[in-house]
Amino acid sequence: LAKTTQPISMDSYEGQEVNITCSHNNIATNDYITWYQQFPSQGPRFIIQGYKTKVTNEVASLFIPADRKSSTLSLPRVSLSDTAVYYCLVQPTFGGATNKLIFGTGTLLAVQP
Amino acid sequence: GAVVSQHPSRVICKSGTSVKIECRSLDFQATTMFWYRQFPKQSLMLMATSNEGSKATYEQGVEKDKFLINHASLTLSTLTVTSAHPEDSSFYICSARGPENYGYTFGSGTRLTVV
Repeated sequence: LAKTTQPISMDSYEGQEVNITCSHNNIATNDYITWYQQFPSQGPRFIIQGYKTKVTNEVASLFIPADRKSSTLSLPRVSLSDTAVYYCLVQPTFGGATNKLIFGTGTLLAVQP
Repeated sequence: GAVVSQHPSRVICKSGTSVKIECRSLDFQATTMFWYRQFPKQSLMLMATSNEGSKATYEQGVEKDKFLINHASLTLSTLTVTSAHPEDSSFYICSARGPENYGYTFGSGTRLTVV
């Protein structure tokens, strides 16, 4: 399973755009990149998933360069409620339901007023 | 979307007793579920993979006799912490992969406190 590296913490202010970068140098051809968000005392929640280039949904964008060795989660105009830990994971695309998710350290995003 | 329900959300027990945590997939069948443990300010650590109708697969260093996993149906997996001790106090989270290529869904977690 590919190992991921991301900053331990980041600080931001309300209304700013936040970009969290994750390194996954050993990503395999059939791996997807997935980001999860976790609030204190809750289970992680799926944010976005992508394979290459750019993916956008209602809450975030995910940028993946051509070599796929890194990815950047972009959160537009963050608010206080976006304060959470963000995890970047890589997982096989068609590995079936038995593929286990291994979490890295995650990035604690603290949004200030 | 896929929903995973975990119960109880928090439990306090005395040292030496056992505690059972339930994880249910509400609107899909999950032949495989995963159990994680999370200590304060740390990441999720995978404990075991729960397989419906067969034995669970435990990660290295996790005591299978202490953390009993039962996956008797396609929608229910249980984790029993046997002879609990204060060091077992932690946040336990289950997960399952949704139908087809749906992503992984996590339960809301169980805060276990052993006194």
